Amino acid sequence: ETGVTQSPTHLIKTRGQQVTLRCSSQSGHNTVSWYQQALGQGPQFIFQYYREEENGRGNFPPRFSGLQFPNYSSELNVNALELDDSALYLCASSFDARSYEQYFGPGTRLTVT
Amino acid sequence: SQQGEEDPQALSIQEGENATMNCSYKTSINNLQWYRQNSGRGLVHLILIRSNEREKHSGRLRVTLDTSKKSSSLLITASRAADTASYFCATEFGSNYQLIWGAGTKLIIKP
Repeated sequence: ETGVTQSPTHLIKTRGQQVTLRCSSQSGHNTVSWYQQALGQGPQFIFQYYREEENGRGNFPPRFSGLQFPNYSSELNVNALELDDSALYLCASSFDARSYEQYFGPGTRLTVT
Repeated sequence: SQQGEEDPQALSIQEGENATMNCSYKTSINNLQWYRQNSGRGLVHLILIRSNEREKHSGRLRVTLDTSKKSSSLLITASRAADTASYFCATEFGSNYQLIWGAGTKLIIKP
């Protein structure tokens, strides 16, 4: 158990819809990173939030957005869902912006039909 | 494109044997990390090796790093059924601290 939780566990959405995924970081961790992991692939970095500000972004379009709150929770929002957005979405928290050791949640499995 | 590539893609060995998996990367790194993932769920950090280190140990794990060849290896000794999982290498490079991941090695330990 890493102390990082994600909700929901599974989610089915229709193409064009919007989705919000939630993550609760370990207490004291001021950095959260979000990843997309397609089946059979490694995680792809979406973005990182440090003290409630975006601190880096991978190669994802603006319809992927996020928020980080003072209570160690965060959200990943995806607008205008596409079929290729179907994946496991992972959040990971860490003590600071360096990636020395990230603590991952169990993930949210998103299926877009 | 992904920075790291693991080799082999899949590995099946008998319990008690040693398992070795490799990771190659393309650009200079700050550090390289190995993670384990069970059944497509969350990842667990195993070990981190910095660019100025050549070898690290943690329990039954041994990681080596060869920066001249841009490669790393993870050795799991005396494998157990519980080691069955996918193993990923992730590299940190540049100043933005994001991790770039390989596609993983799927390890199966047969009883």
